Amino acid sequence: DGGITQSPKYLFRKEGQNVTLSCEQNLNHDAMYWYRQDPGQGLRLIYYSQIVNDFQKGDIAEGYSVSREKKESFPLTVTSAQKNPTAFYLCASSTPWTYNEKLFFGSGTQLSVL
Amino acid sequence: DAKTTQPPSMDCAEGRAANLPCNHSTISGNEYVYWYRQIHSQGPQYIIHGLKNNETNEMASLIITEDRKSSTLILPHATLRDTAVYYCIGRGSQGNLIFGKGTKLSVKP
Repeated sequence: DGGITQSPKYLFRKEGQNVTLSCEQNLNHDAMYWYRQDPGQGLRLIYYSQIVNDFQKGDIAEGYSVSREKKESFPLTVTSAQKNPTAFYLCASSTPWTYNEKLFFGSGTQLSVL
Repeated sequence: DAKTTQPPSMDCAEGRAANLPCNHSTISGNEYVYWYRQIHSQGPQYIIHGLKNNETNEMASLIITEDRKSSTLILPHATLRDTAVYYCIGRGSQGNLIFGKGTKLSVKP
């Protein structure tokens, strides 16, 4: 089955700890994205990558870091600098931006602070 | 950024058509209008998109006004499984798609 896999589904972070959320896709998509969703809110873009070894900050990148060493993988690290990390995190992928692309989403990771 | 405006919530009776409106008066001439939906605690799902002409697929129909300032997503025979948050999406200054708060559609028996 082609799709996007996010893991883990639930993650708990202790104070001062960095945690990494995994996102893997087998759709052969060049572009990948990370979004954050707070309860009752829309999605906000954290980081995006349009090609391997390149990525750009979205609207709320502070306290987060990413890497894009392989086309199929785009892990997100929530660092200790992110003071309010509790949220639902969504990874997505698409064909390159052409103003006519469709996003495919994973099932999300719920991150909570202990 | 292309701003979209949607009602926060709507109700629809099961089996009836659900018509979800969206205003996108700042959309530029070459930008598509996209619709996605999100069922609770899942990732958003693509529904449909269009530029100028009306579009239809197996999930829904999209009606775009001639001036492109608004559109309506139509679910022709809503079922309980269509209960979700529906997003009409614009494009930000960086080129990325922007998801607002959407419309929470409740389909009732």
